[in-house]
Amino acid sequence: EIVLTQSPTTMAASPGEKVTLTCLASSSVNYMYWYQQKSSASPKLLIYYTSILASGVPDRFSGSGSGTSYSLTISSMEAEDAAIYYCLQLTSTPYTFGAGTKLELK
Amino acid sequence: EVQLQESGPGLVKPSQSLSLTCSVTGYSITSNYWGWIRKFPGNKMEWMGYISYSGSTSYNPSLKSRISITRDTSKNQFFLQLNSVTTEDTATYYCARYLGYFDFWGPGTMVTVSS
Repeated sequence: EIVLTQSPTTMAASPGEKVTLTCLASSSVNYMYWYQQKSSASPKLLIYYTSILASGVPDRFSGSGSGTSYSLTISSMEAEDAAIYYCLQLTSTPYTFGAGTKLELK
Repeated sequence: EVQLQESGPGLVKPSQSLSLTCSVTGYSITSNYWGWIRKFPGNKMEWMGYISYSGSTSYNPSLKSRISITRDTSKNQFFLQLNSVTTEDTATYYCARYLGYFDFWGPGTMVTVSS
């Protein structure tokens, strides 16, 4: 099973600040997928195939990486970005999620 | 637009079976794959399994002896059954469409396992 390690676990960012979240995989994966989850809502797809923005996602979000190291970047933090962010690998079953990064507004 | 909606009991007793339904509108479940994912208290997420457009299934090995995913194409629904539940199966359960990634999700249904 591929283990995904996300860092940091929790962080706070000020409006306008650049935010970078990382996801390290225990084995190489083909792509990384990123989801945003706010309170009791269902997870929302942000990034697929490592760097492609899902429909309707603001372009302040971007994804990058390869092999075992991936990142999600928010170029300029906004209040509505406060949420939990999960990475997900779909290279091999069982598909696995990272433990999540909780991003708060400072 | 694709919409998914989970339904089922919110409370299940230990050792019993958990049964959930995912009703899909706006898209046929005879296309693509359809999965179940759960989120535990404390935020851990787990992929449970999926059923394909042809009815074949794939399950998380951690659940393989207890899980079954089936479907009713005439009702455009697919189902989750998890047997011999314990308190550790308390979670919010989501169904989602899988297109190579999970794009559309249901709102989730919270299931508590308790006597």
